[in-house]
Amino acid sequence: GENVEQHPSTLSVQEGDSAVIKCTYSDSASNYFPWYKQELGKGPQLIIDIRSNVGEKKDQRIAVTLNKTAKHFSLHITETQPEDSAVYFCAGVEETSGSRLTFGEGTQLTVNP
Amino acid sequence: GAGVSQSPRYKVTKRGQDVALRCDPISGHVSLYWYRQALGQGPEFLTYFNYEAQQDKSGLPNDRFSAERPEGSISTLTIQRTEQRDSAMYRCASSLNEINVLTFGAGSRLTVL
Repeated sequence: GENVEQHPSTLSVQEGDSAVIKCTYSDSASNYFPWYKQELGKGPQLIIDIRSNVGEKKDQRIAVTLNKTAKHFSLHITETQPEDSAVYFCAGVEETSGSRLTFGEGTQLTVNP
Repeated sequence: GAGVSQSPRYKVTKRGQDVALRCDPISGHVSLYWYRQALGQGPEFLTYFNYEAQQDKSGLPNDRFSAERPEGSISTLTIQRTEQRDSAMYRCASSLNEINVLTFGAGSRLTVL
């Protein structure tokens, strides 16, 4: 089955700086990679996703890049704000397998004002 | 409803008791998923349904765990003869169809004494 590893486990940045979180996956058949943001006391919420037919996707201050050859993908947050502080999870799945997402262990991002 | 609703939010039980956790998905969502999330970890897949049919239960840890969704809407996750190792946050998610964005509920935190 799929195995997703995520680094770093904690990340602290100053407001306005960029933050990068990296994930690797093991199953070359995986073709859908979402990123979820989990705030304290809440469930994970999708913030961006990418499919294997593209290498990069952007949504305002958030971008995700995918390297299929190396089997890794990354989340980039620019101009970080204190409200970006949360736990971020990457995940991967082969979509026809029924959306059984395999999650990474999470990254606690802290943005210091 | 507007979101995925789970109840109870908190459940404390004694070892050996049975517990039932309820999930009310977003209206019209075909697919419903159960995940378990230990503290400091990413969500771990348990099982999922399309309508009332259980499509994949390979993530259920053992035969003390079962789930049902008899009318294709509300789902119940039942844990029989609870053990301390069952203590975790149990999260339900739903999606419009099988290959789509998951919306998570706030979770049910189970503590087994």
